[in-house]
Amino acid sequence: ETGVTQTPRHLVMGMTNKKSLKCEQHLGHNAMYWYKQSAKKPLELMFVYSLEERVENNSVPSRFSPECPNSSHLFLHLHTLQPEDSALYLCASSQERDNYGYTFGSGTRLTVV
Amino acid sequence: LAKTTQPISMDSYEGQEVNITCSHNNIATNDYITWYQQFPSQGPRFIIQGYKTKVTNEVASLFIPADRKSSTLSLPRVSLSDTAVYYCLVGDIYNQGGKLIFGQGTELSVKP
Repeated sequence: ETGVTQTPRHLVMGMTNKKSLKCEQHLGHNAMYWYKQSAKKPLELMFVYSLEERVENNSVPSRFSPECPNSSHLFLHLHTLQPEDSALYLCASSQERDNYGYTFGSGTRLTVV
Repeated sequence: LAKTTQPISMDSYEGQEVNITCSHNNIATNDYITWYQQFPSQGPRFIIQGYKTKVTNEVASLFIPADRKSSTLSLPRVSLSDTAVYYCLVGDIYNQGGKLIFGQGTELSVKP
């Protein structure tokens, strides 16, 4: 257990479905992040939340919608995804402006069929 | 953020010392060097961080020469469980705006 918990671990969804990924951290961090990792590719930063405000959106398609209701929880709402969106989605948290020690969750393996 | 260059892959055998070098020619004065380890289907895990000279913890050592244009992660006596991807990241940890940008990493394969 890393202190960052992601659910579900695995998700299979159709292109017309709506689903949400959940991330929860118990480390008292004030920043949270969503990353996407496709097969054999580096991690891609998707969204950054600092003090519950979105501060970064790296040209992510609108079919991905993040939500950060409080500093401990982060969601990624998914709708009308494409097969190429299949990937490992990783959540991370940090104490911003403190150190570079990000804590990652184990990820959600998403398959879009 | 300074760009980093690492070997794409490395092979080793159990019990050997493994050194992975990362080049970061454009490192800035305020930049720190951080290494992460990632196992398949898991999130990256923080290994070690340094600014200059040598840093050692229970997992690894980090060697940084005086010019700081490169760094070397040293894993002593690797085992099969050290097979993973290792990422080198360089950035100003106090003013990097909360962005952690990963490169390709080095895929280390440890054989029996």
